[in-house]
Amino acid sequence: DTEVTQTPKHLVMGMTNKKSLKCEQHMGHRAMYWYKQKAKKPPELMFVYSYEKLSINESVPSRFSPECPNSSLLNLHLHALQPEDSALYLCASSQDRLAGPGELFFGEGSRLTVL
Amino acid sequence: EDKVVQSPLSLVVHEGDTVTLNCSYEVTNFRSLLWYKQEKKAPTFLFMLTSSGIEKKSGRLSSILDKKELFSILNITATQTGDSAIYLCAVEASAGGTSYGKLTFGQGTILTVHP
Repeated sequence: DTEVTQTPKHLVMGMTNKKSLKCEQHMGHRAMYWYKQKAKKPPELMFVYSYEKLSINESVPSRFSPECPNSSLLNLHLHALQPEDSALYLCASSQDRLAGPGELFFGEGSRLTVL
Repeated sequence: EDKVVQSPLSLVVHEGDTVTLNCSYEVTNFRSLLWYKQEKKAPTFLFMLTSSGIEKKSGRLSSILDKKELFSILNITATQTGDSAIYLCAVEASAGGTSYGKLTFGQGTILTVHP
């Protein structure tokens, strides 16, 4: 079982909806990540938080808004999404971003469908 | 731009066969190479390689990195149906603070093991 917990596992939303994806880890990791994965494609990095501060934003559209309330939690707020945003959203954590990602622990992902 | 290429893209074998998966990369300031196995959802960590020529081994899986020739291989011996998955290679590069924590994934190799 993964030690990174993501909720919800599945989400269907309309283009005008506002929803959030949540991620939680209790391994004491100080770096947390959001990845987006389309079918049969590798994960693509979206955001990196290190010590609760946003350190990498891979030019992600503003309709995706990350938030790190504390070292254990990572949220991804969604608003006015497009159908092409439908994908598996993976959260990951690692001990310390400054030391390199090393071993990333992935959650099971939230499967998002935008209608 | 950092680049990671895996081959073959897909592979079908029978139980008991040995397979070799390849990963070549072009990155600036290489830091580490990681292998992940992805079944239905979350990628799970297999190996991290940072030094050339060192073999990492876990049961039937082993991996080696050649930093001079810029590639890595993942070997699986005596394959089982449970080895069926997508195998992802990822490379971490450092280029100042903004690139720490960024993994570039290859496209993955889809391995199917038939009974």
